Amino acid sequence: SQKIEQNSEALNIQEGKTATLTCNYTNYSPAYLQWYRQDPGRGPVFLLLIRENEKEKRKERLKVTFDTTLKQSLFHITASQPADSATYLCALNQAGTALIFGKGTTLSVSS
Amino acid sequence: EPEVTQTPSHQVTQMGQEVILRCVPISNHLYFYWYRQILGQKVEFLVSFYNNEISEKSEIFDDQFSVERPDGSNFTLKIRSTKLEDSAMYFCASSGDGPSGQYFGPGTRLTVT
Repeated sequence: SQKIEQNSEALNIQEGKTATLTCNYTNYSPAYLQWYRQDPGRGPVFLLLIRENEKEKRKERLKVTFDTTLKQSLFHITASQPADSATYLCALNQAGTALIFGKGTTLSVSS
Repeated sequence: EPEVTQTPSHQVTQMGQEVILRCVPISNHLYFYWYRQILGQKVEFLVSFYNNEISEKSEIFDDQFSVERPDGSNFTLKIRSTKLEDSAMYFCASSGDGPSGQYFGPGTRLTVT
């Protein structure tokens, strides 16, 4: 069955640094890889989607890379701020289908 | 900015009772989903709905579960006879046509006692 691994449960960094989160997957060939932010007790919030034929995508301070050979995505937050502290979820799917989520990485940014 | 809404925010029910969770997806979206998240665990897919019928469902979505889109705006999840293990946060989500993210509601926390 499909498996998604987000390599750390928790990541602690200092304000201003770049946070890098990793997502690896097996037994699946997704059309899309997506990143979501989830705050405690709230629903996931969509951040970025990258297609299987794209290598990199950026949105403001966020950057996602997607390597279908390695079956890996890296998610970067540059110039991190305490407000970026949250759990970040990696998810995969095909067009119009259910998302398969990883367990998430909880990022803590200290000032 | 349009958003997905869900009611109620918290539902407490006794084991064996029926519950209906309600969602209003974003109005021009075509795909609708229910997910759940047991405390401390990952978000799990339950069911997706497109063109007025179920398009996909997971193993979790057994005969105790059903979904409906009773009118042009609401999307409901019914659990016929709740069990203790149904206690979780239930999220509704919707998405548009083409490659896009899914937009999640704030969730309904279901507690089965």
